Amino acid sequence: NAGVMQNPRHLVRRRGQEARLRCSPMKGHSHVYWYRQLPEEGLKFMVYLQKENIIDESGMPKERFSAEFPKEGPSILRIQQVVRGDSAAYFCASSADYGYTFGSGTRLTVV
Amino acid sequence: ILNVEQSPQSLHVQEGDSTNFTCSFPSSNFYALHWYRWETAKSPEALFVMTLNGDEKKKGRISATLNTKEGYSYLYIKGSQPEDSATYLCASPNSGGYQKVTFGIGTKLQVIP
Repeated sequence: NAGVMQNPRHLVRRRGQEARLRCSPMKGHSHVYWYRQLPEEGLKFMVYLQKENIIDESGMPKERFSAEFPKEGPSILRIQQVVRGDSAAYFCASSADYGYTFGSGTRLTVV
Repeated sequence: ILNVEQSPQSLHVQEGDSTNFTCSFPSSNFYALHWYRWETAKSPEALFVMTLNGDEKKKGRISATLNTKEGYSYLYIKGSQPEDSATYLCASPNSGGYQKVTFGIGTKLQVIP
């Protein structure tokens, strides 16, 4: 069991480009969560997905951010037209019931 | 909105000392309380998931207690070692559904050799 796989580990984008972050949950886990860690802050909830459904996106910025978890393939967090303030570590976690297993995160840097 | 608060935010202890820190959470609509250990440049690692009032869980030198009536949990580390240096996060599911959790800001522990 490879655990929760996130890629890429590091991503550099210029302002205005798109960033795509991928997350493959643990085998047997049907719940995926995305969290963001801004500098000097804790983990902030963004979105909770199950296969083909967004369950709770109350933590997602209203514009430029979207997430999906298709029937086949990894969950994708997409950030369009990135700005410097999007620079952060983005963590994905998956669960079957209680407790999360986290991926190693994607560190996004916008230059 | 669920507020999960942790104290202290940072802590320095000498190797061999025992230490503890606190997580507080609203006691209404309680579902579960999670503790995670987060080392720098790694991903958070689950330590405990606690659901019952009075629960006490132990993993090696680390243990945790839970009081759901008053809304707090303690994490204890006995005989701290340098490898215990990490940020310890607690988290609790929002009342809107047990799957989505809100994290506290964490307690950053530094064990001095």
